[in-house]
Amino acid sequence: EVQLVESGGGLVQPGGSLRLSCAASGFTFSSYEMNWVRQAPGKGLEWVSYISSSGSTIYYADSVKGRFTISRDNAKNSLYLQMNSLRAEDTAVYYCASSILVYPNDAFDIWGQGTMVTVSS
Amino acid sequence: QSVLTQPPSASGTPGQRVTISCSGSSSNIGSNTVNWYQQLPGTAPKLLIYSNNQRPSGVPDRFSGSKSGTSASLAISGLQSEDEADYYCAAWDDSLNGPGYVFGTGTKVTVL
Repeated sequence: EVQLVESGGGLVQPGGSLRLSCAASGFTFSSYEMNWVRQAPGKGLEWVSYISSSGSTIYYADSVKGRFTISRDNAKNSLYLQMNSLRAEDTAVYYCASSILVYPNDAFDIWGQGTMVTVSS
Repeated sequence: QSVLTQPPSASGTPGQRVTISCSGSSSNIGSNTVNWYQQLPGTAPKLLIYSNNQRPSGVPDRFSGSKSGTSASLAISGLQSEDEADYYCAAWDDSLNGPGYVFGTGTKVTVL
């Protein structure tokens, strides 16, 4: 079964850091691009970051550029999001998502269950 | 990155047809394909339509998508109670700042 499982969320103070992980299984992780998407409580979806299958190409949303770093370890079938200088507005459920079954179409057909990040003092 | 514009809400009675619009620009919908997601309360989004009008395996043919110029739409025919959810359009945006994936503002569908 194709599956993505996020972890690492929690409560952090403003200005703090947190590292999210996304464990992939059921597919050849190293062949697929990956993304992080977030959703603030009661709000809509917001794309956060993209990384190519090799990790050589990376994109960020303007709202996180310079503060967040996406990375991957293909040997460990894992995706990461290092979040620094966190702000209250970063409070959200963070999902990892990818185009797997509908690849090479650029739609996210596989999503994790999400991990909650709360930035508060 | 810009945001795609959707109506905040839509509704219909069981069996009716509901249409949701999605308005973008030349840098996103105008030059890339549109995808639609359905999100039931408390769950992760689910891909409903990809590449403007394609349904992933398992999605009922009651759901259909179309695109024209810088706009797109999702139609739900034969509305059912289980269709009550939030719906988001999305597309890649070829911004001068760098590519990004933009979501619509979201539409809450209510089955009356």
